[in-house]
Amino acid sequence: AQSVTQLGSHVSVSEGALVLLRCNYSSSVPPYLFWYVQYPNQGLQLLLKYTTGATLVKGINGFEAEFKKSETSFHLTKPSAHMSDAAEYFCAVSNQAGTALIFGKGTTLSVSS
Amino acid sequence: AAGVIQSPRHLIKEKRETATLKCYPIPRHDTVYWYQQGPGQDPQFLISFYEKMQSDKGSIPDRFSAQQFSDYHSELNMSSLELGDSALYFCASSPAVAGSYEQYFGPGTRLTVT
Repeated sequence: AQSVTQLGSHVSVSEGALVLLRCNYSSSVPPYLFWYVQYPNQGLQLLLKYTTGATLVKGINGFEAEFKKSETSFHLTKPSAHMSDAAEYFCAVSNQAGTALIFGKGTTLSVSS
Repeated sequence: AAGVIQSPRHLIKEKRETATLKCYPIPRHDTVYWYQQGPGQDPQFLISFYEKMQSDKGSIPDRFSAQQFSDYHSELNMSSLELGDSALYFCASSPAVAGSYEQYFGPGTRLTVT
């Protein structure tokens, strides 16, 4: 069975500071990993994905994540936070195309000026 | 670019009533997924369809049923509604491209059961 653990249900940073949202996964087969962002009362928007190939993946809005198999991690980073980054972030895993995404519990990112 | 369309966006029903949620996937997407997100919770997978056939099933109550039609749109039918069914219901779709794993989500339908 697959699972996702997001460490820290709430992360607070100052505008311009580094953003680091942690995600660890458990999977018995090679995982496909995703980060989604959800703004209040909106749907989930795909930030980035890892399927195969390069382990450092870049997404939209300046976010990137690195797949580390040895650490079973897929942490999301952004060098400089912006007020508009304040949202809920979900890490998700699946093991093949066309199957369900298993989501973590989410991390709320707050950005202060 | 076209996105996933869900209707209605908001729905208020009373206990024991029925509800039908509709989802129109992105053009040329052949797989549709349904998720339920309770207040302050992560999305939970309900069911998915590929080429009009059920492809995967999650924690969908027996009171719920769903199908995908010939035009690839999908409907989630919910009967004997309970207060606990109040949630945001998302539809997602994925393209008919080999090796494509990402799912694109609609804006959701907020169901309130009173």
